[in-house]
Amino acid sequence: QKEVEQNSGPLSVPEGAIASLNCTYSDRVSQSFFWYRQYSGKSPELIMSIYSNGDKEDGRFTAQLNKASQYVSLLIRDSQPSDSATYLCAVNGPGYALNFGKGTSLLVTP
Amino acid sequence: SQTIHQWPATLVQPVGSPLSLECTVEGTSNPNLYWYRQAAGRGLQLLFYSVGIGQISSEVPQNLSASRPQDRQFILSSKKLLLSDSGFYLCAWSSGQSNSPLHFGNGTRLTVT
Repeated sequence: QKEVEQNSGPLSVPEGAIASLNCTYSDRVSQSFFWYRQYSGKSPELIMSIYSNGDKEDGRFTAQLNKASQYVSLLIRDSQPSDSATYLCAVNGPGYALNFGKGTSLLVTP
Repeated sequence: SQTIHQWPATLVQPVGSPLSLECTVEGTSNPNLYWYRQAAGRGLQLLFYSVGIGQISSEVPQNLSASRPQDRQFILSSKKLLLSDSGFYLCAWSSGQSNSPLHFGNGTRLTVT
């Protein structure tokens, strides 16, 4: 079973701070990595994808990938209360499906 | 643009009753289709995926089944529900190309009583 591991949290950060979310994966040959945001009672929505080692920035979000360490992270700059949600890390799986971690709960306090 | 429809939004069913959840995708052809379940306090569990009409791959042995009668229609079924079938059921689609993300429907919250 290919594992995707995340700290469940909750991770609490003050408004305006940087939130750092981490994810490790077990399958060394994984090629595609995604971050999803899931608000309580809602379905996951795609935030970012990353395929190559290094950083990828999109607005306040930065995804970081280190394939040698099998590590993916998501940084959220200038965190807002509306960023409070569960963040899911996903890695490519069978039939182009994705294997998901259990998610990290983020709470941004005003 | 592509849209995915999933219904119903909520469902309460007694143990032993049948189940049918439907999902349709618009605005794309030959999508890959997926059913996931998210139980309380647990991660997203892949149940079934399909890369074409009539083709279903099952990831978890259980009392659920899936069918794809049309290119953009995916159905999740059960003949007899168990209490453990309660959860948040999510349909998703992808373009079928490697490295493509999944896009989820709004989900169905199923409570088996």
